[in-house]
Amino acid sequence: EVQLVESGGGLVQPGGSLRLSCAASGFTFSSYVMSWVRQAPGKGLEWVSVISGSGGSTYYADSVKGRFTISRDNSKKTLYLQMNSLRAEDTAVYYCAKVAGGYWWRGFDIWGQGTMVTVSS
Amino acid sequence: QSALTQPPSASGSPGQSVTISCTGSSSDVGGYNYVSWYQQHPGKAPKLMIDEVSKRPSGVPDRFSGSKSGNTASLTVSGLQAEDEADYYCSSYAGSNNLLFGGGTKLTVL
Repeated sequence: EVQLVESGGGLVQPGGSLRLSCAASGFTFSSYVMSWVRQAPGKGLEWVSVISGSGGSTYYADSVKGRFTISRDNSKKTLYLQMNSLRAEDTAVYYCAKVAGGYWWRGFDIWGQGTMVTVSS
Repeated sequence: QSALTQPPSASGSPGQSVTISCTGSSSDVGGYNYVSWYQQHPGKAPKLMIDEVSKRPSGVPDRFSGSKSGNTASLTVSGLQAEDEADYYCSSYAGSNNLLFGGGTKLTVL
């Protein structure tokens, strides 16, 4: 079964750090572009970051650039999001998502269940 | 860059058709054929319904269709069913390695 399972969310103080993980199974992980998408409570979806299959290319939304780092370990079939200098506005459910394939900007055909990140003192 | 513009709500009776719009600009929706649509039920992860403007992934009912004209993309749900009641989001590549989502539309089946 094709599956993505996120972990690592929790409560963190403003200015703190957190690392999210996303374990993949059921597909050839290294062949696919992967992304993080977040959703603040009661709000819409917001794209956060994307990484190539090899991990050699990464891109970020302006709202997180310079604070978040996306990475992947293809040997462990795991995607990561290192989040530093966290702000209250980063509070959201964070989803990892697999790009459908072929081109970077196709739709996300597989999503994880999400992990909640709360930034509060 | 601003989010793509979607109507906050839409509704229709069972069996009817409803269309949800997603308006952007020539820098995003109008400039690329990388428009996607997602369905999200409360407390669940989004589900891809339409890829690359009008391509329906395997398993998505053919009641769902997508199109684009100029800077506006549209999702049409035909033969509305109770289980179609959900939030719907569009997304589009916006150039410069950036992806935009719409604000979302809550679809109510009356």
